[in-house]
Amino acid sequence: AQSVSQHNHHVILSEAASLELGCNYSYGGTVNLFWYVQYPGQHLQLLLKYFSGDPLVKGIKGFEAEFIKSKFSFNLRKPSVQWSDTAEYFCAVSPPGTYKYIFGTGTRLKVLA
Amino acid sequence: DVKVTQSSRYLVKRTGEKVFLECVQDMDHENMFWYRQDPGLGLRLIYFSYDVKMKEKGDIPEGYSVSREKKERFSLILESASTNQTSMYLCASVTPPGTAFEQYFGPGTRLTVT
Repeated sequence: AQSVSQHNHHVILSEAASLELGCNYSYGGTVNLFWYVQYPGQHLQLLLKYFSGDPLVKGIKGFEAEFIKSKFSFNLRKPSVQWSDTAEYFCAVSPPGTYKYIFGTGTRLKVLA
Repeated sequence: DVKVTQSSRYLVKRTGEKVFLECVQDMDHENMFWYRQDPGLGLRLIYFSYDVKMKEKGDIPEGYSVSREKKERFSLILESASTNQTSMYLCASVTPPGTAFEQYFGPGTRLTVT
């Protein structure tokens, strides 16, 4: 069955530390990849997405993600986190042209001021 | 800007009650999804609809039904609420799968069944 794994369930960092959240998926074909973020008290919103082309994708608020096809990974990165990045982050996968949309279990990030 | 609204932010219901959760979007999207979000389990798809009166079961449809009578409105129905349906329910309005296929989420309804 298709699945998305986010291995880090909780991450605690100090401000200015670098961030990398892992996301691995199991699906043999082409996929579209997404990262969503849910800030405390707010609704889920799209952070960035990959459809094709450059495997390094830049999103909002200084986040980026790299698609590595050989590793079935789409890790999220930020060079220097801020207190305001405290949120829950979800990776998601969707095979193109289908209605299938598979979310990972999420990673809760806490950034200490 | 896409706006997705859900009828209630918080709801408390008794076991056995019939519960209606409403979702309305204003972007003329054909696709709408209902999820439940539980700690450690992420988002699980309950039902989705790709057009008026069209619906498909998701991964966990048991105990739920849906209604899509108008394009902008997608309702989730708990026929007989049970305590294991206590959860956060999220509605999403979605661009077509051949395009960006982005999901625009509502604020969620936190349902407690006692």
